[in-house]
Amino acid sequence: DTGVSQDPRHKITKRGQNVTFRCDPISEHNRLYWYRQTLGQGPEFLTYFQNEAQLEKSRLLSDRFSAERPKGSFSTLEIQRTEQGDSAMYLCASSPTGGASFETQYFGPGTRLLVL
Amino acid sequence: AQTVTQSQPEMSVQEAETVTLSCTYDTSESDYYLFWYKQPPSRQMILVIRQEAYKQQNATENRFSVNFQKAAKSFSLKISDSQLGDAAMYFCAYRSGGAQKLVFGQGTRLTINP
Repeated sequence: DTGVSQDPRHKITKRGQNVTFRCDPISEHNRLYWYRQTLGQGPEFLTYFQNEAQLEKSRLLSDRFSAERPKGSFSTLEIQRTEQGDSAMYLCASSPTGGASFETQYFGPGTRLLVL
Repeated sequence: AQTVTQSQPEMSVQEAETVTLSCTYDTSESDYYLFWYKQPPSRQMILVIRQEAYKQQNATENRFSVNFQKAAKSFSLKISDSQLGDAAMYFCAYRSGGAQKLVFGQGTRLTINP
């Protein structure tokens, strides 16, 4: 169990540019989640996948945001035409659908995005 | 919509003493889960303890225990014998039994004084 990994850990971009983040969940976890955390706040839910199916999207996920999990393993989160308000920590989490750890989400280290 | 409130933005405690972090939540559901997560500075969030709403017994994990008051919609975290490594942001989180997303509180920053 290597834990949830995210890449890159830090990203600085200029307003208007597109960025893409990657998340690799714990290998046997079917569910994968994206959250956004702004400074001094708790994480806010963005979206979640069960296998390759995106089952829920938050209203926070504007049209400029898109998430994929094409083969039910890793996931990508893309932000198009970034705005300064997109600056935040983007957290990925995964969870199993059964077993002793059922219902618990395990978080990755996050990708910190700064839009200049 | 469910909400989670942590009314203590910051707390401090002397090493080896006990501290209690408060959390209240608002829901009309009867099936849900509650969690406390710890986020150390510049490190990833890790689960401290979880409680299923249908269980009357309060969860415990070593030095960490909760006081779950379902009628009052309160879910406080007690840390006994505080250690320097306990210093972190602590987030209370709610998850509906019928949904997957976590709803987090604003967090409490815990400082441990040596």
